[in-house]
Amino acid sequence: KAGVTQTPRYLIKTRGQQVTLSCSPISGHRSVSWYQQTPGQGLQFLFEYFSETQRNKGNFPGRFSGRQFSNSRSEMNVSTLELGDSALYLCASSLGVGSYNEQFFGPGTRLTVL
Amino acid sequence: AQTVTQSQPEMSVQEAETVTLSCTYDTSESDYYLFWYKQPPSRQMILVIRQEAYKQQNATENRFSVNFQKAAKSFSLKISDSQLGDAAMYFCAYRSVNAGNMLTFGGGTRLMVKP
Repeated sequence: KAGVTQTPRYLIKTRGQQVTLSCSPISGHRSVSWYQQTPGQGLQFLFEYFSETQRNKGNFPGRFSGRQFSNSRSEMNVSTLELGDSALYLCASSLGVGSYNEQFFGPGTRLTVL
Repeated sequence: AQTVTQSQPEMSVQEAETVTLSCTYDTSESDYYLFWYKQPPSRQMILVIRQEAYKQQNATENRFSVNFQKAAKSFSLKISDSQLGDAAMYFCAYRSVNAGNMLTFGGGTRLMVKP
């Protein structure tokens, strides 16, 4: 079974631009969560989707948004990029929500904002 | 809000020896899940071990075991017979039973294994 895939793996953008990152969960998984990892702030939860509905949202500005499609693939969008948005963006998928559902992480997308 | 603290930014261990990584957390909830994740240089997060708060028995997975002290809000990871492949960042994480799959991570501990 293929693991969680994220595209692209690396991305370079300039301030003010917008970016879209994609996450394809493991087949059959319906929950996708996104995390931002930076040296200064560590790992922070962005949002979680299940069956195309956002279930939870972290403490990030409205420039960060996401969505999930009917095939469970998810995208996150960052508009008006700032230097501080440079980070590793990780997505994780699981079968369902809560309980003992194990989350499987993708390899991440490394975003650099110049 | 819950917080997770890992007080050891770096640890080192000799190959084949045992090392313990510390984690403390703060919560007002009585039921929750705790996890240890490993992040090697490839950056892919891998689940090492997990613990349900209502279970008093400490979880064990091969060479990995935890010491879960609920009253003290402590959740340490013991790695026995350390191997070179254990070198990585280790993150402790908390998940509420009421917040879906949202994980709250600690700051991480970098483990170095000396041959």
